[in-house]
Amino acid sequence: AQSVAQPEDQVNVAEGNPLTVKCTYSVSGNPYLFWYVQYPNRGLQFLLKYITGDNLVKGSYGFEAEFNKSQTSFHLKKPSALVSDSALYFCAVRDFYNTDKLIFGTGTRLQVFP
Amino acid sequence: DTGVSQDPRHKITKRGQNVTFRCDPISEHNRLYWYRQTLGQGPEFLTYFQNEAQLEKSRLLSDRFSAERPKGSFSTLEIQRTEQGDSAMYLCASSFAPTSQRVVTDTQYFGPGTRLTVL
Repeated sequence: AQSVAQPEDQVNVAEGNPLTVKCTYSVSGNPYLFWYVQYPNRGLQFLLKYITGDNLVKGSYGFEAEFNKSQTSFHLKKPSALVSDSALYFCAVRDFYNTDKLIFGTGTRLQVFP
Repeated sequence: DTGVSQDPRHKITKRGQNVTFRCDPISEHNRLYWYRQTLGQGPEFLTYFQNEAQLEKSRLLSDRFSAERPKGSFSTLEIQRTEQGDSAMYLCASSFAPTSQRVVTDTQYFGPGTRLTVL
């Protein structure tokens, strides 16, 4: 069965510092991986996705993610964090063998301090 | 605004009552998904439609839950005889998946959600 794990419940980083939010996955076949962000009392906003090709994927708001097949990881990164990046981040994998539904991790809360 | 919209944004109801939520997808999106998100968890898949056809229902979707997408546009999710365990955020997402593609690579875009509280 497809699954993703987000090993950190919370990540704290100072404004201006680089940030990394970790995600590992387990899939049968090629993974389709996604990152979404959720602000309080809001739905999920799409940040980026990996389907195939370049292992470094660039997305919205200056975020990027690095796909690493050998480590089965898809970590979200940003070179310089902003206070406004503080939110809940979800990694997801596509279960395209079944219904194309997304299987989400439990989320990582990012707190950026001024 | 051309994003996914959901109505209502908040719903408070008493145990045993029926509730209905509406989702309006992005125009021309042929796929529509429903997810449920409880506190501290990621969204969990409930069901999805391609056009008006409901193609999959999760085992999470008990007999008290029913979803429709009668004309392949908006969708409704009804919960009958609500229970306190139904309290959650109900999220709708839509995407466009060309039917000619063997492997689907569409992106799901989410609405703001409907927060249900069952007292």
